[in-house]
Amino acid sequence: DAKTTQPPSMDCAEGRAANLPCNHSTISGNEYVYWYRQIHSQGPQYIIHGLKNNETNEMASLIITEDRKSSTLILPHATLRDTAVYYCIVRVGSSSNTGKLIFGQGTTLQVKP
Amino acid sequence: GAVVSQHPSRVICKSGTSVKIECRSLDFQATTMFWYRQFPKQSLMLMATSNEGSKATYEQGVEKDKFLINHASLTLSTLTVTSAHPEDSSFYICSARAGGRQPQHFGDGTRLSIL
Repeated sequence: DAKTTQPPSMDCAEGRAANLPCNHSTISGNEYVYWYRQIHSQGPQYIIHGLKNNETNEMASLIITEDRKSSTLILPHATLRDTAVYYCIVRVGSSSNTGKLIFGQGTTLQVKP
Repeated sequence: GAVVSQHPSRVICKSGTSVKIECRSLDFQATTMFWYRQFPKQSLMLMATSNEGSKATYEQGVEKDKFLINHASLTLSTLTVTSAHPEDSSFYICSARAGGRQPQHFGDGTRLSIL
């Protein structure tokens, strides 16, 4: 049972920022938000994760609202290679060895020339 | 970055054969490993979770005698699909995590085709 809601698909122009939204209104205080992407016929690739502060790494930025009920993944300059299914996941379980990632349907991002 | 290697990448075999898939964490010790299955045009479905040296915990509806999981060391887990049938054909993906709040890292998957 997915605990997140994402739009099924989005388009983005190459070179522009891609903003992928995710709702997680039932998130608990100790649950992290993780983002992964899956390019066709490959395993998912870790992008970023966060608890309540905004995070940035070499791939993307993660903006989490103050109430933590939603977040946005930002790819600052999308390229054709960023075309993939993007998954927003709230990690189930808080202890170190029982937490697991349950995948929903994700957002299919199509980056267009 | 953290690397998870999965082998083989593709298997084609006859019905009734048992197939073993290996998953290795190459540059970190994985206290927990996960096995997922993905059918065409669907999302990943978690099959089981295993901690090194312990029995795997299977998700509801996954037959533990059908899908044997061995997490013998901190860098190796294996999934054996026993007496595979065509309906077991799928994309199997392993994942490993160092522990705590560390992210899970995924292998590139094994495409299993049972004839």
